[in-house]
Amino acid sequence: DAGITQSPRHKVTETGTPVTLRCHQTENHRYMYWYRQDPGHGLRLIHYSYGVKDTDKGEVSDGYSVSRSKTEDFLLTLESATSSQTSVYFCAIRRAATDSYNEQFFGPGTRLTVL
Amino acid sequence: QKEVEQNSGPLSVPEGAIASLNCTYSDRGSQSFFWYRQYSGKSPELIMFIYSNGDKEDGRFTAQLNKASQYVSLLIRDSQPSDSATYLCAVWNSGNTPLVFGKGTRLSVIA
Repeated sequence: DAGITQSPRHKVTETGTPVTLRCHQTENHRYMYWYRQDPGHGLRLIHYSYGVKDTDKGEVSDGYSVSRSKTEDFLLTLESATSSQTSVYFCAIRRAATDSYNEQFFGPGTRLTVL
Repeated sequence: QKEVEQNSGPLSVPEGAIASLNCTYSDRGSQSFFWYRQYSGKSPELIMFIYSNGDKEDGRFTAQLNKASQYVSLLIRDSQPSDSATYLCAVWNSGNTPLVFGKGTRLSVIA
């Protein structure tokens, strides 16, 4: 257990509504990540953060924004949800003694359905 | 574009056999290599990592790395039905760059 929680765990929403997913960690790790996972596409990186207020885009960032105002929380916002954003969303942290290592651990996931 | 390729499977092996999962990667600068196991409906779980050429053993799992061939593999000895899962290969270069994941190989161990 890497001390990662995600909320909500399940959500059903309607097209056009904003949605925010929360990732919370208890171990003070610098790096945090948001992925989505879909059949046939595997895990795809949406955004990541390498410190408070330091974020960068992943390969599928369109339609998503993130914020990290404190170390323990990394928020993912779907500004106007679409059916194509129906997916399972995973948060991950990078647990490494130094910057020479990158061992990632995943949260339990959030299943989002956009109707 | 950095790519990690895995055979999607399913790879079916009988109980007690050795399961061999393979992964190739395109980025020659990659330094670290990871294997994750993901059960259906669950999150990926890190089971092995390897940084140097050669073999690394942990219980029934052996990771093998050949940087010259850009190839990494995972062997599971004495396969059990509980090993049935999707196995994800991931590769990392350095610094702030994120992991690059393959799409995974589904393993089915038949009792």
